Amino acid sequence: EPEVTQTPSHQVTQMGQEVILRCVPISNHLYFYWYRQILGQKVEFLVSFYNNEISEKSEIFDDQFSVERPDGSNFTLKIRSTKLEDSAMYFCASGGERNTEAFFGQGTRLTVV
Amino acid sequence: TQLLEQSPQFLSIQEGENLTVYCNSSSVFSSLQWYRQEPGEGPVLLVTVVTGGEVKKLKRLTFQFGDARKDSSLHITAAQPGDTGLYLCAGSYSGGSYIPTFGRGTSLIVHP
Repeated sequence: EPEVTQTPSHQVTQMGQEVILRCVPISNHLYFYWYRQILGQKVEFLVSFYNNEISEKSEIFDDQFSVERPDGSNFTLKIRSTKLEDSAMYFCASGGERNTEAFFGQGTRLTVV
Repeated sequence: TQLLEQSPQFLSIQEGENLTVYCNSSSVFSSLQWYRQEPGEGPVLLVTVVTGGEVKKLKRLTFQFGDARKDSSLHITAAQPGDTGLYLCAGSYSGGSYIPTFGRGTSLIVHP
C-alpha cells in the first residue's frame, strides 16, 4: 500500500543550527502538507503546497521555515535557525486529486538542545 | 481560526464495552476525517465523510456525519485493547481550501 515516508525518524540539533526534514509523498498525489505536534498538544498545520508553490501557511510558519519540492518526488521542510521551542514531531502529509483527505507519514521527532 | 472540539478528552473502559466519541464545530465542514494516532507515530486515516447524514462502518467502528455537517461521532462496539489510542477528527471548512484542522483528540484506553 502506498505510504508517505519521512526521514530521519529522529533528529537532535543544537539551537541555532539549520535542519532539513525530508518527505517522500505518495507518488501520484498533488497536495502536500507539513504539520507539527508538540509533545502532549494537538496536531498543528504549518503549510500546504500545490503546483510547486505554497498555497497556505499558518502563523507558525514564519521566515525561519521554508519548503521545497526539489526533484518531483521529495518534499522538504527547512528550519533555518532552530530554537528550543521548535522541538516537536513534524509530520508530512499528502493528498490526491480529490483533495478531501490527507495521508500522514510516521513523523520526524526533532529535538533542539 | 475555526475551532473543532472533541469530547470526551479521556476515556478509560473495559474490554467489551461500547463507546462514542464526538467532534463538533460551529462552522460547516466540507469534509471530515477520523484518524487514529499511537504514541510516537503519525495519524492513520480511518474514514472520510463528506455528505450530511452519512454513516460509514469499518468493522466495529461506526462513523456518522451530522445532517448539518457541523458534527460527527465515532461509535466503537465491543471495544478491544487493540482499539487503545488517540482518536482525532480533522475537518476542512466550506468556502476555503482543503486544510485539515485537527481537534485535540480523545485518548482511549481499553483495559483487558
